[in-house]
Amino acid sequence: GQNIDQPTEMTATEGAIVQINCTYQTSGFNGLFWYQQHAGEAPTFLSYNVLDGLEEKGRFSSFLSRSKGYSYLLLKELQMKDSASYLCAVYSSASKIIFGSGTRLSIRP
Amino acid sequence: DVKVTQSSRYLVKRTGEKVFLECVQDMDHENMFWYRQDPGLGLRLIYFSYDVKMKEKGDIPEGYSVSREKKERFSLILESASTNQTSMYLCASSPSGRAPYEQYFGPGTRLTVT
Repeated sequence: GQNIDQPTEMTATEGAIVQINCTYQTSGFNGLFWYQQHAGEAPTFLSYNVLDGLEEKGRFSSFLSRSKGYSYLLLKELQMKDSASYLCAVYSSASKIIFGSGTRLSIRP
Repeated sequence: DVKVTQSSRYLVKRTGEKVFLECVQDMDHENMFWYRQDPGLGLRLIYFSYDVKMKEKGDIPEGYSVSREKKERFSLILESASTNQTSMYLCASSPSGRAPYEQYFGPGTRLTVT
């Protein structure tokens, strides 16, 4: 079967660092996406990992381990505007993208 | 900037009605998708299309159909709306043939079936 797991909710403090984990089991793997979705808005693209390792993009970094079926999104220097849901998604075989349920991140002052 | 628009942000329909949700993208993308998003279930793929007049079933196609007569437009049809189709519907498009195959989403249509 196809399964993507990520925590339902997380809370962190403004200025701190938070890591959102994602584990997956899918039939085929071509890459892994992270999307950000603010309440009531459409998801927007954050990152796409194909190879193992860490990719850094400003305050956001994404890590992938294909052998472990594991990824994380690292957010540094948290700001209040980072309060949102973060969606992990796998680009599997048959050119389909499978989404996890999302992690709702709340930032407290 | 890629723009994906959906015909309505909010829609209220009665059980048994035929419902049309329209999606238009302006970036000449080959691929278009329809998802529904429900709390705790994430985004689930209903149908997708890789080309004009072409459609493929996603994970939950039952009770839905689609139409793609023009490259820029992808319509989702609920033949006879039911209360369990109350949801947020998101349309997305993406280019084909080059990574990262990023999907661009429309603002969503919140459909309530009473």
